[in-house]
This record gives sequence, structure tokens and C-alpha cells, in this order.
Amino acid sequence: DAKTTQPPSMDCAEGRAANLPCNHSTISGNEYVYWYRQIHSQGPQYIIHGLKNNETNEMASLIITEDRKSSTLILPHATLRDTAVYYCIVRVASGGDKIIFGKGTRLHILP
Amino acid sequence: GAVVSQHPSWVICKSGTSVKIECRSLDFQATTMFWYRQFPKQSLMLMATSNEGSKATYEQGVEKDKFLINHASLTLSTLTVTSAHPEDSSFYICSAETRGRSPLHFGNGTRLTVT
Repeated sequence: DAKTTQPPSMDCAEGRAANLPCNHSTISGNEYVYWYRQIHSQGPQYIIHGLKNNETNEMASLIITEDRKSSTLILPHATLRDTAVYYCIVRVASGGDKIIFGKGTRLHILP
Repeated sequence: GAVVSQHPSWVICKSGTSVKIECRSLDFQATTMFWYRQFPKQSLMLMATSNEGSKATYEQGVEKDKFLINHASLTLSTLTVTSAHPEDSSFYICSAETRGRSPLHFGNGTRLTVT
């Protein structure tokens, strides 16, 4: 089973910040939080990952709670091209362990 | 960034034939590759994990004799769907990584249609 839970869908107005939550209450101390998104009929695209500190890159920001049991992916200025299914997963940074995907959040950007 | 190339992007085959899908890591050595299958409006389902030079580890319910995985080199893994049937029609996605280096990178998928 997936180690994360996410709302099935969300709407966001174009130009506004999209905040996508993820619960990972059973996360282990050596597991990172990764976010991917999948645009229709494409493979998942890596967005960002973090351990416990907040992270920011050119695509998004990742806010991880102090207890690490939940996180929020922030797309600061959503565009129509951000319409996708967003997946939050946890895994060790060294890799090799299999990734079980949950159902993700289907984000609709509204014009 | 790291690129994973998957080929073909789509394929149509007749029932009973076999289809091979290739997954290549273009600019890094893929010590581990994963194969997923995705049905419409569903999430990715892990089929198997393969480490270079080793036999693949299949998930429960995935027939290893039907879905043959070969990971003979650090840049190439192949998935062969043998004796394909219409129920095998799906979107197949590979992913690759170098152990010890995150993150995992995905190919763009192969849409298989079996008629």
C-alpha cells in the first residue's frame, strides 16, 4: 500500500498559488518526501523532494511540517499547463526501494 | 537533467504476438529500473524491479513468464509482453535511477493496444 494520502482532486484559479497537501504519518526518519506530476498520457515528471527542511526550486516549493507527518507542495503561480495528477511519495534517498504510488491529486487549473 | 528514453511510444499488435518495449537511461547509469503499468484513470501499478545483471523481482500477481524483463546493461532494460491479449492493453512506464542518487526518473511511457 502507498504510504501517503492525498485529496483526490483540487481546483485552482490560473495565476493563483496551488497548495497540494499530502499526509505521510508513518514516514521513517531516513525517508524523503518526493513529488511528481503526471500530465495526461506522459510519464511522471519529478518536481521536488525534501527531508525536513523546506525546499524551493524553479518549479515549486515544498513545505514539510516539523513532525514530518505531512507536507504541502506549492505551485506559486499556477498556469493551465500545471493541470495534472500530482503524486506525493516517500522513499529513502539511497534509492533501490520500490515506489508504490497512491492515487494522487488531480489538479484542475481554472482559466 | 537525467533523461530516460522509452521506445516505442505506442504500439498496436495482434493478439498472440509478443511486443518488446525498451527503456534507456541516456545520461546516467541505471543500477535499478522499475516497470509500471497504468490503466485509464488509475494510478501507476508497479510490475517489477530490476537491478543490472540480476533477475527481476516481480510484484504479486504479475506473471513473470508473460512479462519478461531484461536488464543486461546499465543503460538498457527491456520489457517483453509475450503472447499479448487485449487485456494487456495498457500504458507501460519505466523508471530508472542510480542507486544512491535521487531522484527517480521516468520514461514517457508506451501505450500498448492489443487487437
